[in-house]
Amino acid sequence: QQQVKQSPQSLIVQKGGISIINCAYENTAFDYFPWYQQFPGKGPALLIAIRPDVSEKKEGRFTISFNKSAKQFSLHIMDSQPGDSATYFCAASYSGAGSYQLTFGKGTKLSVIP
Amino acid sequence: DVKVTQSSRYLVKRTGEKVFLECVQDMDHENMFWYRQDPGLGLRLIYFSYDVKMKEKGDIPEGYSVSREKKERFSLILESASTNQTSMYLCASEGPNQPQHFGDGTRLSIL
Repeated sequence: QQQVKQSPQSLIVQKGGISIINCAYENTAFDYFPWYQQFPGKGPALLIAIRPDVSEKKEGRFTISFNKSAKQFSLHIMDSQPGDSATYFCAASYSGAGSYQLTFGKGTKLSVIP
Repeated sequence: DVKVTQSSRYLVKRTGEKVFLECVQDMDHENMFWYRQDPGLGLRLIYFSYDVKMKEKGDIPEGYSVSREKKERFSLILESASTNQTSMYLCASEGPNQPQHFGDGTRLSIL
């Protein structure tokens, strides 16, 4: 049973455009929602994360929007650049177990073309 | 800066072999994780550990075991490798109120 659904699987965006990746979750106990970025040959690295007490978090060109009632969150990449081309994973966890045991989405391969 | 080191980037083994994947972290983190990553399936948790000599099953533990004799080292063991265990394996560590930090992975091929 997939607890975090991510879409789209792949995304092609022109340089300067906005990239949008969406995730939906089922477990209402989740209280931590990170996004990871993975370049070829590298492990995933934390990009940005949000908790459900805020509806939006922005770091540079990257923004997470969070809709608690819809159980959805999304990543927006403004002014997308070729260097943003990577695979992006959303994830969710709850801290009740004393650890951020993550459940990942299946990933989105983003290609930003010049 | 947190460093998670996986001993091999690429590994080729034969079916039936016992395979060891090693992971070392340098930040004295208590929590460590093993995932496998397959195209279209994302990252799936195999096992994790909250402390030395402690282990918990993740979502797909079948065919795998783990060992954590020292805090900094977490090993994944394929008891009898099979071709369906060909995959990218990722190790991660995590400290208190910190995100998981990943190694660069071991691409394992079972022939």
